[in-house]
Amino acid sequence: DGGITQSPKYLFRKEGQNVTLSCEQNLNHDAMYWYRQDPGQGLRLIYYSQIVNDFQKGDIAEGYSVSREKKESFPLTVTSAQKNPTAFYLCASSSRTGWNSPLHFGNGTRLTVT
Amino acid sequence: AQSVTQPDIHITVSEGASLELRCNYSYGATPYLFWYVQSPGQGLQLLLKYFSGDTLVQGIKGFEAEFKRSQSSFNLRKPSVHWSDAAEYFCAVGSNNDMRFGAGTRLTVKP
Repeated sequence: DGGITQSPKYLFRKEGQNVTLSCEQNLNHDAMYWYRQDPGQGLRLIYYSQIVNDFQKGDIAEGYSVSREKKESFPLTVTSAQKNPTAFYLCASSSRTGWNSPLHFGNGTRLTVT
Repeated sequence: AQSVTQPDIHITVSEGASLELRCNYSYGATPYLFWYVQSPGQGLQLLLKYFSGDTLVQGIKGFEAEFKRSQSSFNLRKPSVHWSDAAEYFCAVGSNNDMRFGAGTRLTVKP
């Protein structure tokens, strides 16, 4: 079945360490997105990519980095510069570029930094 | 930029009762409207979407939503709630420039 795979489901890191969250899709979707979810705040866009080797900052990109070397993969690195990294991270994709297309979501990675 | 408001943070309904979750948006043009559902610890699943045409749209799991331009609303409804509908529900608005999500409404279903 086609879908989005995020790994790992739970991730624990010490403060000051960089950590990379994996996101792979086999839907052949052009666009991919990373969202951060905190209780009571909905989803906030971190980065998005509408084509391979290109990506754009979202609303809360500071302290994060991404790459899009392959259509299927869009890893997110949470750097030590991110002030409050503990959160639930969701990866998504859409078949068309632009903001009028429904998003398909992975099951998320819960990152805890202590 | 557009914005989305879900006025109810938490709603409790009895199993079998009807449900309406509110969503209001702010956007100058006709938006692209979505409702998603999220079970605990999971990703979001699309329930339904509105782009144009008939303002009453049907979705999965027996849900429907009605676009009311005059009220800038896109409320989600279900005639009879099942215990498995307990989850968090998000309204989203897409424009030419980005997509915005509401803060979500958590639904509890009483037996």
